[in-house]
Amino acid sequence: GDSVTQMEGPVTLSEEAFLTINCTYTATGYPSLFWYVQYPGEGLQLLLKATKADDKGSNKGFEATYRKETTSFHLEKGSVQVSDSAVYFCALSDLMDSSYKLIFGSGTRLLVRP
Amino acid sequence: DAGVIQSPRHEVTEMGQEVTLRCKPISGHDYLFWYRQTMMRGLELLIYFNNNVPIDDSGMPEDRFSAKMPNASFSTLKIQPSEPRDSAVYFCASSLSPAPTEGYTFGSGTRLTVV
Repeated sequence: GDSVTQMEGPVTLSEEAFLTINCTYTATGYPSLFWYVQYPGEGLQLLLKATKADDKGSNKGFEATYRKETTSFHLEKGSVQVSDSAVYFCALSDLMDSSYKLIFGSGTRLLVRP
Repeated sequence: DAGVIQSPRHEVTEMGQEVTLRCKPISGHDYLFWYRQTMMRGLELLIYFNNNVPIDDSGMPEDRFSAKMPNASFSTLKIQPSEPRDSAVYFCASSLSPAPTEGYTFGSGTRLTVV
């Protein structure tokens, strides 16, 4: 079945450092890909998405490119802030295999120090 | 728009008691999802509804769990009897039909503690 694999956390960075959180996926069909963010004590919020190969999703300085050849959707940000500290989830939606369900990765906790 | 509204935010109950979690989806959203989040298992989809009808409940752990959606603006997740291993954060989410490319809108969750 479909699955999403994220890098293990926590990721600890200093403010203004460059961020990469790796995400790879396995899918039966042609999935849509998402990054969600969860701030402490809150629900998940959609951060960005991409629906076809080579699409780049972007929001709030974060971006990720849908790479079909490497089945990856890595999240990047050029300069992180303390307020970016949160848990980040990569997810896919694949009509071919998982009906109308979002399949989530295990999440990667990011801690940004001042 | 008020978003997806869940209640209560926190629930502490004793083992064996019945627990009911509530969710109000975004008006106009045709899909409603119940997720459970734990440290050990991450985010698990329990059940989802389309137009108030349960479509896939394969993630419901066992018969102690049940979910209903009596109308388009309300859903409940019930655990009876509750056990300590049910302690988790339970999220409700909703989305528009028929666009899986849009993702879901999540509520703030209910943190359940069973002692």
